[in-house]
Amino acid sequence: GAVVSQHPSRVICKSGTSVKIECRSLDFQATTMFWYRQFPKQSLMLMATSNEGSKATYEQGVEKDKFLINHASLTLSTLTVTSAHPEDSSFYICSARDLEDIYGYTFGSGTRLTVV
Amino acid sequence: SQKIEQNSEALNIQEGKTATLTCNYTNYSPAYLQWYRQDPGRGPVFLLLIRENEKEKRKERLKVTFDTTLKQSLFHITASQPADSATYLCALPNFGNEKLTFGTGTRLTIIP
Repeated sequence: GAVVSQHPSRVICKSGTSVKIECRSLDFQATTMFWYRQFPKQSLMLMATSNEGSKATYEQGVEKDKFLINHASLTLSTLTVTSAHPEDSSFYICSARDLEDIYGYTFGSGTRLTVV
Repeated sequence: SQKIEQNSEALNIQEGKTATLTCNYTNYSPAYLQWYRQDPGRGPVFLLLIRENEKEKRKERLKVTFDTTLKQSLFHITASQPADSATYLCALPNFGNEKLTFGTGTRLTIIP
């Protein structure tokens, strides 16, 4: 089945630094990848939609200059949290949509970001 | 925008019984609806998809129903096992695009 690899699984960084999270589709091509954020005991909230070769589309209230998304190839999207602050601490999850399966959304295992 | 509610934040079920989870939405009826399982500290894992013209879908011990009149989907786990304990999320596609909106989730605990 389709597999999405997300790295790192956990990261602790100092306030003011930047963190990059990678999301790779391992055995399929994904023109579209999605980035979600999940706070404890809450559901997934979509942050942005990234399309290969074009600029990401951000949801209302998400700062595009803070959460930089790059989708350079059909198998890789990255999310960079710039100048991280403690309130950015959260669980970040990516999802990739298979080109050949319009109903197929495969999720990564998530990244637990803690900003100290 | 679509508002999706899953009626129980937490649900405890005795092992061997059937667990029934509810997903209600408020606006337009989507072309399909999905159910996911999420374990603590992990990403969601796809379980089942049901289309708007399907009343019921089954997969092993799982069964999903979709009532577009009631704007509701029910998710059943029969012969429940402690290993079924997890958070279950329903998700609907947004109208006109490929984004998924997730429900609030139900944390299911199967008690041995």
